[in-house]
Amino acid sequence: EVQLVESGGGLVQPGGSLRLSCAASGFTFSNYEMNWVRQAPGKGLEWVSYISASGTTQYYADSAKGRFTISRDNAKNSLYLQMNSLRDEDTAVYYCASSGYSGFDPFDNWGQGTLVTVSS
Amino acid sequence: EMVLTQSPGTVSLSPGERATLSCRASHTVSSNYLAWYQQKPGLAPRVLIYGASSRATGIPDRFRGSGSGTDFILTISRLEPEDFAMYFCQQYGTSPFTFGGGTKVEIK
Repeated sequence: EVQLVESGGGLVQPGGSLRLSCAASGFTFSNYEMNWVRQAPGKGLEWVSYISASGTTQYYADSAKGRFTISRDNAKNSLYLQMNSLRDEDTAVYYCASSGYSGFDPFDNWGQGTLVTVSS
Repeated sequence: EMVLTQSPGTVSLSPGERATLSCRASHTVSSNYLAWYQQKPGLAPRVLIYGASSRATGIPDRFRGSGSGTDFILTISRLEPEDFAMYFCQQYGTSPFTFGGGTKVEIK
């Protein structure tokens, strides 16, 4: 059974940093592209970042560029999101999601999400 | 950046009725890389449709995706009680992989 389990969320002050993790199991993690998607309270979905299966290619939403860094450790079946210079508007549930291996796949498996609250 | 506009924002229907949800893109969606997701309160989204019209594994055939280019439709032929939820479209052909704002299907 495919499982994605996020962790690392919590309360952080504006300007602070947080590192999210996503532990994958039940599939060959190293073959799959991965993403972070967030959802502010009561709002819609916002794609945040993508990383290729090998980790050599990353994409970011404009809202994340220069502040967030996506990475992965295929030996540990883990995905990460380093978030720096956090703002109030970064408050959201953050989901990790897998998106296949062809380069053009939907987000077919999702974790349960981890809540990040940015507040003083 | 490609903008996806979903309409209506909310639709009120009864079980057994047909739901028609629209997703309009600001530019042509590359190779129809358009997906639909369903999300229920407190849960993660799940993919229903990909490639504009292909059903994901385990999705019942009452869910049908159609359209191409810039205009896409999700049709739920006969609403079941478990279908009342939020629905989002997403294009995954070009970064940034944008989502639409969502349509809420609520019980009338």
